[in-house]
Amino acid sequence: DAGVIQSPRHEVTEMGQEVTLRCKPISGHDYLFWYRQTMMRGLELLIYFNNNVPIDDSGMPEDRFSAKMPNASFSTLKIQPSEPRDSAVYFCASSQDRGAAGNTIYFGEGSWLTVV
Amino acid sequence: QQQVKQSPQSLIVQKGGISIINCAYENTAFDYFPWYQQFPGKGPALLIAIRPDVSEKKEGRFTISFNKSAKQFSLHIMDSQPGDSATYFCAASMRRVQGGKLIFGQGTELSVKP
Repeated sequence: DAGVIQSPRHEVTEMGQEVTLRCKPISGHDYLFWYRQTMMRGLELLIYFNNNVPIDDSGMPEDRFSAKMPNASFSTLKIQPSEPRDSAVYFCASSQDRGAAGNTIYFGEGSWLTVV
Repeated sequence: QQQVKQSPQSLIVQKGGISIINCAYENTAFDYFPWYQQFPGKGPALLIAIRPDVSEKKEGRFTISFNKSAKQFSLHIMDSQPGDSATYFCAASMRRVQGGKLIFGQGTELSVKP
């Protein structure tokens, strides 16, 4: 399996521009997570989906952030307009519901975003 | 209540030594405690995990010790090697709730000196 695939791997953009991060989860996985990693705040859960439906977006920092999952094999995280404080590594992750066995969450390699 | 507190922030160990990383949690509804390992430029990857019905789990040189009454768990890396140098995250989740979404500790940067 190819694992969770994220694009772009690196992006440098100017403040005020729109940023779109993309994710292809592992085939057959029914949960998809977006995490953000910074030195100050560590790994934060932004939003997650179950069977393409957003379940919890309480971690989304503000209205400038939005996420969609139009089908089981694709998700986007959009920031509009972007600000320098959005600079971080954004991870997409997916898992398959195994109930009591405990879900293993598989992470992509991340999208490194720098907003200047 | 949703927090997982991890210590130390950084750790330097000599090759062959034992690395110990500690975590504590408050929410007694958590019932799955994985450890993730992250190398520079990569995403976190599952290393080892434990459920609260056991006090210890060992996989190779990696052992999780779990103290349910104290709400603490720790990762022990025996015979630490330079290749173990990475950032380690403890995490907690509720297996039957919310897709097992993970709440992560702040991470420990481990450096193993040759």
